[in-house]
Amino acid sequence: KAGVTQTPRYLIKTRGQQVTLSCSPISGHRSVSWYQQTPGQGLQFLFEYFSETQRNKGNFPGRFSGRQFSNSRSEMNVSTLELGDSALYLCASSAIKTGELFFGEGSRLTVL
Amino acid sequence: AQSVAQPEDQVNVAEGNPLTVKCTYSVSGNPYLFWYVQYPNRGLQFLLKYITGDNLVKGSYGFEAEFNKSQTSFHLKKPSALVSDSALYFCAVRDEGSGNTGKLIFGQGTTLQVKP
Repeated sequence: KAGVTQTPRYLIKTRGQQVTLSCSPISGHRSVSWYQQTPGQGLQFLFEYFSETQRNKGNFPGRFSGRQFSNSRSEMNVSTLELGDSALYLCASSAIKTGELFFGEGSRLTVL
Repeated sequence: AQSVAQPEDQVNVAEGNPLTVKCTYSVSGNPYLFWYVQYPNRGLQFLLKYITGDNLVKGSYGFEAEFNKSQTSFHLKKPSALVSDSALYFCAVRDEGSGNTGKLIFGQGTTLQVKP
């Protein structure tokens, strides 16, 4: 069974640009969550999507947005990038019954 | 508010010795507790979880964790450490009342260093 797939794995952007990250969940998983990981703040929850609807949202500015498609694939977008957005962005999917999250390898974003 | 504390930034242990990585939590209801491991430049790998039932939970790679409700702790343990266990370990909690959602509260992480 294929795991969670995130693309791209690495990317470099400059301040003011925008970026879109993609996540394909484990087959059959309908919940997709996004986390930001930085050395200073650790792992912080961004948002969760279930059946194309945002079910939970963390404390991030509106520049951070996401969506989920009918095949459960998800994208997150960050507009007007700031230096502080440099981080590892992790996507996780989960099955309803078991509850644990399965993470992808992450997308490492560097903002210059 | 939910929270997780991992009081040790780093744990050092010799190969073959038992290891413990500490975690305490705070939730308003019954906790769902998880341990994850992260190797450099990789995502998080699920190790084990406590939902209900036996206080001693067994997980992947020989790890286990003990749930202690009175001390609100969920310490990760392994009887005999391997050098390959060296990694960053995260404890996480979800309030039972929040249902099976994708929002976990993570601790700050503990670096485990196993020396030969």
